Amino acid sequence: DAKTTQPPSMDCAEGRAANLPCNHSTISGNEYVYWYRQIHSQGPQYIIHGLKNNETNEMASLIITEDRKSSTLILPHATLRDTAVYYCIVRVQTGTASKLTFGTGTRLQVTL
Amino acid sequence: DAGVTQSPTHLIKTRGQHVTLRCSPISGHKSVSWYQQVLGQGPQFIFQYYEKEERGRGNFPDRFSARQFPNYSSELNVNALLLGDSALYLCASNTAGTEAFFGQGTRLTVV
Repeated sequence: DAKTTQPPSMDCAEGRAANLPCNHSTISGNEYVYWYRQIHSQGPQYIIHGLKNNETNEMASLIITEDRKSSTLILPHATLRDTAVYYCIVRVQTGTASKLTFGTGTRLQVTL
Repeated sequence: DAGVTQSPTHLIKTRGQHVTLRCSPISGHKSVSWYQQVLGQGPQFIFQYYEKEERGRGNFPDRFSARQFPNYSSELNVNALLLGDSALYLCASNTAGTEAFFGQGTRLTVV
């Protein structure tokens, strides 16, 4: 699986959009970009994933650059409950393989 | 619907002892994976099982073993516990080719 690079920490004011970047310059054509988050001492929570098109769900939007070497997770209206560590992961989504390679993620602090 | 359930939630063991952690996947999920998360780091992959067969193994010593049962539940066993095995142990389940869903973990403390 390709390696990802994320800033170690970010701050965001409540109600504002939180934009979390991720670099994955060695991503392969068949690798997806996944985002998970982990609220303190809980299990990681799936947020969203995509291959090359932008994706949106009830939690967030995922913007992937045309060359697929980077992506941005957008939380449109951050709340205090979005304070967590956010992990960007790239992996092949085929067959029965399901290994996720986590880095150290971005610690997002949402403040009043 | 019940999510991934893990037991126990917390556990304290002494160095040299053995521990068994348990995981029940989401109904219909045939794949179970185990991760270790030490304080301040991201989760590290230990094992994946699919249809009772090992499909992946991370860089962990042979003291770590696992198995999956016919009902797709799984156990993680760790022998000869070391202080460094203290961590949050996470179980995740998924169906083939889909995102993984994690349990709340078992916090193991080795003293």
